[in-house]
Amino acid sequence: SAVISQKPSRDICQRGTSLTIQCQVDSQVTMMFWYRQQPGQSLTLIATANQGSEATYESGFVIDKFPISRPNLTFSTLTVSNMSPEDSSIYLCSVSTGQGETQYFGPGTRLLVL
Amino acid sequence: AQSVTQPDIHITVSEGASLELRCNYSYGATPYLFWYVQSPGQGLQLLLKYFSGDTLVQGIKGFEAEFKRSQSSFNLRKPSVHWSDAAEYFCAVGAGDYKLSFGAGTTVTVRA
Repeated sequence: SAVISQKPSRDICQRGTSLTIQCQVDSQVTMMFWYRQQPGQSLTLIATANQGSEATYESGFVIDKFPISRPNLTFSTLTVSNMSPEDSSIYLCSVSTGQGETQYFGPGTRLLVL
Repeated sequence: AQSVTQPDIHITVSEGASLELRCNYSYGATPYLFWYVQSPGQGLQLLLKYFSGDTLVQGIKGFEAEFKRSQSSFNLRKPSVHWSDAAEYFCAVGAGDYKLSFGAGTTVTVRA
């Protein structure tokens, strides 16, 4: 498995501002993903973070709203831009080590937008 | 595309009693199947996974799950529940593209 950390663990932000969430893994991994978990809901995949190229976004998510970087095989960032209260969610980073399709998750970032 | 259904939104079980959580999937071939647990305020922890082979898989914390192709199911079981098992449980399916689809989750409450 992999050990994954996320920063910040939680934040309270004002609408119209942006927040960048960091995801750090203790080993090089093939795939990194970003998920959103809205209050009381399941997980929805936002995008796959590709090392050295643009992220691959799922339907309903766009780069202007959720820009993602992945400068190397152990680190990625997700920015939530121009936030509104509807962006209040838990944002989770996950990684796949290539063993089947097993994904391991970080502890999540709990975001509240006022 | 694959999908996952967890029919039970909320289950209450007495401490020491057995627990079974249902998961049904929709996918044309044999999928990759997973169960994750999310304790309050925590991220997701992998309980167990099925790729192929023996249809009864053992996981951490005393959990097991059985893959039944004929029923498109992957139910999670635990013979004796502990209070610390109170959490949200998610079933997930992968279809070979490294993306996982998650069920809506089942909340487990353990009463003393």
